Amino acid sequence: QQQVKQSPQSLIVQKGGISIINCAYENTAFDYFPWYQQFPGKGPALLIAIRPDVSEKKEGRFTISFNKSAKQFSLHIMDSQPGDSATYFCAARGDTGRRALTFGSGTRLQVQP
Amino acid sequence: GAVVSQHPSRVICKSGTSVKIECRSLDFQATTMFWYRQFPKQSLMLMATSNEGSKATYEQGVEKDKFLINHASLTLSTLTVTSAHPEDSSFYICSAMDRLGTEAFFGQGTRLTVV
Repeated sequence: QQQVKQSPQSLIVQKGGISIINCAYENTAFDYFPWYQQFPGKGPALLIAIRPDVSEKKEGRFTISFNKSAKQFSLHIMDSQPGDSATYFCAARGDTGRRALTFGSGTRLQVQP
Repeated sequence: GAVVSQHPSRVICKSGTSVKIECRSLDFQATTMFWYRQFPKQSLMLMATSNEGSKATYEQGVEKDKFLINHASLTLSTLTVTSAHPEDSSFYICSAMDRLGTEAFFGQGTRLTVV
């Protein structure tokens, strides 16, 4: 029930293309869904987050799409750049009880110039 | 966003010794702190959750006597790896949350190598 499943494990995209990473969850008590970007040797940094009362949230080139009925959410990176090459983690958390984030397994994105 | 400072960023220690990692919230009061462990090319695995002034809650399989966590103030939590062994070599990351609990902010991580 605490798992968050993430795919794909790795992704290669051409510069200017769209990168899409998907996550699915089981726990219906989750109501906060952030995405993190992590560069090698660094801690994760929050990119964008969504709550289930909206189906989409956009911040710059990053968009989260959320499907509550399917218990799935995805990250879209528009106009992908080589500087976006990093590992991306989806996560989820409920508002009560356990406050720690449950992370997906991560997606290593490589944007080729 | 808020800043969480983790120190040191890298540490090498001899097998059998102890090493302390500090995690500080620089511009907010961290009522809750989390400690994660990350092996190469893997996800973050929660080790323990600590609330200021209370004992830490450890995840199943994490030895509380080996990984000592202290959260004595609203801006500082420490993780001490006691009697370190090579298998403790990993990337340790702290995260801090304020009283509102809206967002968790992460430190830069500490690369521990036990030789």
